[in-house]
Amino acid sequence: GENVEQHPSTLSVQEGDSAVIKCTYSDSASNYFPWYKQELGKRPQLIIDIRSNVGEKKDQRIAVTLNKTAKHFSLHITETQPEDSAVYFCAASRAGTGNQFYFGTGTSLTVIP
Amino acid sequence: DTGVSQDPRHKITKRGQNVTFRCDPISEHNRLYWYRQTLGQGPEFLTYFQNEAQLEKSRLLSDRFSAERPKGSFSTLEIQRTEQGDSAMYLCASSSYRGRWNTEAFFGQGTRLTVV
Repeated sequence: GENVEQHPSTLSVQEGDSAVIKCTYSDSASNYFPWYKQELGKRPQLIIDIRSNVGEKKDQRIAVTLNKTAKHFSLHITETQPEDSAVYFCAASRAGTGNQFYFGTGTSLTVIP
Repeated sequence: DTGVSQDPRHKITKRGQNVTFRCDPISEHNRLYWYRQTLGQGPEFLTYFQNEAQLEKSRLLSDRFSAERPKGSFSTLEIQRTEQGDSAMYLCASSSYRGRWNTEAFFGQGTRLTVV
């Protein structure tokens, strides 16, 4: 099955700086990569996703890049704000049977005002 | 609220008792997933359905766990003879699957199970 690894496990940045979270996956058949933000005690919520037919996607301060050859994808948050503080999870999914979502272990991001 | 809903939100049970959780997915979604999440960890896959068919079940899932989605709409997850190690947040999610692509999974707020 798929194995998704996520780094770092914790990340602290000053407000206004950028944050980068990286994930690797093992199954070359994975073709959909969502990122979720989870605040304490709340449900995971999708913040951005990318399909394997594109290499980069951007939505305001958030961007995701995908390198299919190296099997890794990254989340980039620019101009961080205190409300960006949360746990972020990457995930991978593939087409066909067995295409559940496999999650990374999470990155706890703290934005220091 | 047209999102994924789960019931109950919290459940405290004594070890050895059976518990059942319910999930109502987004109505147009054909896929429904159950995940378990413990503190500081990512969601761990338990099982998923496409319509009423259970397509995959995690090898980590013991025989004490069973899930159903009888009419392809809501789903139930039952844990028999609960153990303290079953204490976790149980998350349900739904998504649409059309052809080659999966779409984003929307999560419910979860059922927090505490086994005492």
